[in-house]
Amino acid sequence: KAGVTQTPRYLIKTRGQQVTLSCSPISGHRSVSWYQQTPGQGLQFLFEYFSETQRNKGNFPGRFSGRQFSNSRSEMNVSTLELGDSALYLCASTRDRIDEQFFGPGTRLTVL
Amino acid sequence: GDSVTQMEGPVTLSEEAFLTINCTYTATGYPSLFWYVQYPGEGLQLLLKATKADDKGSNKGFEATYRKETTSFHLEKGSVQVSDSAVYFCALSRSGSARQLTFGSGTQLTVLP
Repeated sequence: KAGVTQTPRYLIKTRGQQVTLSCSPISGHRSVSWYQQTPGQGLQFLFEYFSETQRNKGNFPGRFSGRQFSNSRSEMNVSTLELGDSALYLCASTRDRIDEQFFGPGTRLTVL
Repeated sequence: GDSVTQMEGPVTLSEEAFLTINCTYTATGYPSLFWYVQYPGEGLQLLLKATKADDKGSNKGFEATYRKETTSFHLEKGSVQVSDSAVYFCALSRSGSARQLTFGSGTQLTVLP
């Protein structure tokens, strides 16, 4: 069974631009969560989607948004990029009623 | 709010040494507790979990026991290998929000041959 895949693996953007990251969950998993990992703040929860609906949201500004499609694939978007948005963005998928999250390899975003 | 406090690293051990990484938590109710491991350039892998008090999670020689009285979930391994070198994260999720993990700061483990 294929694992969680994230594209692209690496991105370089400049301040003020926007970016879209993609996540494909494990087949059969309907929940997708996103996390930001930085050296200073560690791993922080961004949001979770289930059946195309945002179910949980972390404490991030409105520049961070996401969506989920009917095939459970998810995208997250960051608008008006700031230097502090440079991070590893991790996606995780979960089966219904199971609390194990399976993580993808992440997308490394660098904002110049 | 919820929080996880993890032993600061880095930790450097010789092969076959005993490993303990301390983890304590603050949360309402009865959270589920997890240890994740991150190898260089990779995402997180679930190492073990425990969902209620006194549960012991174990995997690949690693163990951790859910201690509600001390709000702790310390990771242990009797004999570490070079291949165990990685960053280890303790995490919790509260009932009803199982997909929202709160992580500790991570502990870098280096095992020398």
